Amino acid sequence: DAGVIQSPRHEVTEMGQEVTLRCKPISGHDYLFWYRQTMMRGLELLIYFNNNVPIDDSGMPEDRFSAKMPNASFSTLKIQPSEPRDSAVYFCASSGPRGPYNEQFFGPGTRLTVL
Amino acid sequence: QKEVEQDPGPLSVPEGAIVSLNCTYSNSAFQYFMWYRQYSRKGPELLMYTYSSGNKEDGRFTAQVDKSSKYISLFIRDSQPSDSATYLCAMKKSSGDKLTFGTGTRLAVRP
Repeated sequence: DAGVIQSPRHEVTEMGQEVTLRCKPISGHDYLFWYRQTMMRGLELLIYFNNNVPIDDSGMPEDRFSAKMPNASFSTLKIQPSEPRDSAVYFCASSGPRGPYNEQFFGPGTRLTVL
Repeated sequence: QKEVEQDPGPLSVPEGAIVSLNCTYSNSAFQYFMWYRQYSRKGPELLMYTYSSGNKEDGRFTAQVDKSSKYISLFIRDSQPSDSATYLCAMKKSSGDKLTFGTGTRLAVRP
């Protein structure tokens, strides 16, 4: 299995531009999570899906952020318009058949820099 | 106040040392406790997990939970340079699917 796939791995953009991050979860996993990691705030959950349905988006910082999961093998996180404070590493993670620990498998992350 | 507090370090130790990594938490609803390891420029990966209070050992690693003190620890014996990474604690309530992570402790093991 290829694991969780994220693209792009690096993104440099200018303030005000739209940014789209992409994620392909592990096949057969029914949960998908989007996180943001910074030195100051650590790993923060932004939103998660179960069976392609958004369950909890309380971590989405503001309306500039949106996420979709049109099917079981693809999700996007969009920032429009982007701001310098959005600079961070964004991780996608998926988890599968239920166990109490809900092991999450993380992708390699997308390093976003907004100038 | 954050639900989970973790000393960010960095922590630098010589090879062969015993390492102690810790987290405190404020929400007594947390029942499941995990440690994730994150190498530089990689995503976190699950290292160990424990349920409620007690110890769990896996090779050179021991995870310990003290629910009365709301305190969890990860011990690494005979530390190796390959253990150099950021270690994140994570916790989950009985119901629900979300993990709450600590900010992570950066560990460097010097050869």
